[in-house]
Amino acid sequence: TQLLEQSPQFLSIQEGENLTVYCNSSSVFSSLQWYRQEPGEGPVLLVTVVTGGEVKKLKRLTFQFGDARKDSSLHITAAQPGDTGLYLCAGAPGFDMRFGAGTRLTVKP
Amino acid sequence: DVKVTQSSRYLVKRTGEKVFLECVQDMDHENMFWYRQDPGLGLRLIYFSYDVKMKEKGDIPEGYSVSREKKERFSLILESASTNQTSMYLCASSLGQGLLNYGYTFGSGTRLTVV
Repeated sequence: TQLLEQSPQFLSIQEGENLTVYCNSSSVFSSLQWYRQEPGEGPVLLVTVVTGGEVKKLKRLTFQFGDARKDSSLHITAAQPGDTGLYLCAGAPGFDMRFGAGTRLTVKP
Repeated sequence: DVKVTQSSRYLVKRTGEKVFLECVQDMDHENMFWYRQDPGLGLRLIYFSYDVKMKEKGDIPEGYSVSREKKERFSLILESASTNQTSMYLCASSLGQGLLNYGYTFGSGTRLTVV
């Protein structure tokens, strides 16, 4: 069982659609992070959320940290083909980071 | 631009070989990590190090060892490669811990195939 469960595992949508992906855990985290990984590359940090209920925006991407600091969501507005990639959430229950298995997003032109 | 550099993008090794994966970072980060990434399983932590000559086991250390003789370099060693170690290996570094975690910087990965 993964410490961080991400859903859906796969998502394929048309350009211009909106989408939300989820990251859930039974554990409480002091912070959660979201990364995007493109094929053949390592993950790249998008955002860190720290406070329960916090909402952060990064252009068309909106990240929310749950009030209880056990879950997070990523919403993309008007998705573009350049958003295609593997989206990973990560949290540190201790010193080191644990990652979810990711949501593989494909945005078709 | 800050970087984590992994020595090889692709490697093919034979069963039983000793394999060295090298990782170098130029950010003066204290912490370095080795993960493997497999479809459906995500990133799993193999080993990490929070200081020179220090190492800690992650979730799946069996069959692996590490070396950190210099702050900028963290090596992953497969003592006797097996086919179930075929995977994408990712090295990362970070500054700080806990609430002071500024996020990980990853290398581009090494795709290892053991035949």
